[in-house]
Amino acid sequence: SYELTQPLSVSVALGQTARITCGGDNIGSKNVNWYQQKPGQAPVLVINRDSDRPSGIPERFSGSNSGNMATVTISRAQAGDEADYYCQVWDSNTVVFGGGTKLTVL
Amino acid sequence: EVKLLESGGDLVQPGGSLRLSCAASGFTLSSYLMRWVRQAPGKGLEWVSSINAGGGTGYADSVKGRFIISRDNSKNTLYLQMNSLRPEDTAVYYCAKVLSVGTEGMDVWGQGATVTVSS
Repeated sequence: SYELTQPLSVSVALGQTARITCGGDNIGSKNVNWYQQKPGQAPVLVINRDSDRPSGIPERFSGSNSGNMATVTISRAQAGDEADYYCQVWDSNTVVFGGGTKLTVL
Repeated sequence: EVKLLESGGDLVQPGGSLRLSCAASGFTLSSYLMRWVRQAPGKGLEWVSSINAGGGTGYADSVKGRFIISRDNSKNTLYLQMNSLRPEDTAVYYCAKVLSVGTEGMDVWGQGATVTVSS
């Protein structure tokens, strides 16, 4: 079965740029979606199909995907960006999530 | 406004059954690929099941043969029938709508229903 690997945690200074990675075998050939989840809340889609931002998601959020790595980049990080982030792909008629990355804004 | 509202979460004994409901408003549920996703306490997201517009279904290996996804078009409601429940099924269960095709993300989520399997 397909696996997605994310770092357990990423830290970023307030106002700086955070990058959260998602590794998978030839992930560049798949569409990667990213979700933000704050404590006690449902996930929110922040990046669709590698790099599209759904309506209402700030331009500070961007995504890329190539080779064996997908990345979500959060520019000018704010305290409100502190959350868990999950990558997700669709593979062989199953939905696969990464293990999640806790983003801490210092 | 497009919304999903889950209900039916409860405490159930191992081996028991439970049915979760997910009522949709603001869109026609049967026109979209819909999914159930769960999250065990302190853990990550795990896909459970899907149903597409044509009625085709899919299940994670961990629930195959025990869970059944269905929908009632007249009620615009999605269901998850959970049988032979195990302690490891304890989780918050979310229903979610997929944007369009299967490769796209889930853009609308319910608030979650808590299922606890314990004696």
